[in-house]
Amino acid sequence: AQSVAQPEDQVNVAEGNPLTVKCTYSVSGNPYLFWYVQYPNRGLQFLLKYITGDNLVKGSYGFEAEFNKSQTSFHLKKPSALVSDSALYFCAVSPRERAGNNRKLIWGLGTSLAVNP
Amino acid sequence: GAGVSQSPSNKVTEKGKDVELRCDPISGHTALYWYRQSLGQGLEFLIYFQGNSAPDKSGLPSDRFSAERTGGSVSTLTIQRTQQEDSAVYLCASSLSWVGGTDTQYFGPGTRLTVL
Repeated sequence: AQSVAQPEDQVNVAEGNPLTVKCTYSVSGNPYLFWYVQYPNRGLQFLLKYITGDNLVKGSYGFEAEFNKSQTSFHLKKPSALVSDSALYFCAVSPRERAGNNRKLIWGLGTSLAVNP
Repeated sequence: GAGVSQSPSNKVTEKGKDVELRCDPISGHTALYWYRQSLGQGLEFLIYFQGNSAPDKSGLPSDRFSAERTGGSVSTLTIQRTQQEDSAVYLCASSLSWVGGTDTQYFGPGTRLTVL
C-alpha cells in the first residue's frame, strides 16, 4: 500500500537553530511531493512542492525541502528557526501514475514543531 | 483575491440531528475536496469533486455522510443523524484542477463540529 511516514510526532528546537522535519514515502514511481503547515486554530497553508527539476525546493517563510530519490525522502528544513514557526507540519504525496479515479493526495500524520525561545 | 471560505466556523449540535457544512472554493477552481481532522490527528480524505466528473466518494465513512457541489462552485457536506464520533474539524480545499496531480490545494479555515 502507498503511504507517507512522518517518523517524528514532535520536534523541539531552540530559536535560531536549524530545524528538520522528516518525511519518507512508499509510492511507486516519482511522485509529486508537498509540504503544508497548520498554525494553531487555522487551516492548512501550502509551503512548497516538488514537481521536477532541482532536488532542492525553496518555499514560503524561508523553508526548503530536498527530494532524495534513493532514500524516498522529502525532508523539510530551515536554517534558523523562529518561535513563530511553531505549528503542525504535514507532508503529502501525489503519485504520478494513477489507477482509475485515484486522484487523492496521500497525507502523513503530521509533525508538531515547537521552537523554544 | 478571496480564499476558500467555510461556514459556519463552529457548529454545536445534539446527537441525532442533521448538519450542513458549506464551502466556497476559490473562483475558477474546478477541484474541491473535503477532509476531516480529528483532534491531534492527520487529515482524513472524505470526498473529491473534479469539474463535471463523478465525485470520488471513497472516503465517506458511512451513508450518513453526503456532499454535493452545485454549479461547479459551492459545496455542501451533509451529515445525517450525527454521532459523537463525528466531532472533528471539517476542512475544505480547492485547486485549479487535479488532472495532472501537481496543483496546490488551498484550504479553508475549517468548521469545528461538536456533537453533544
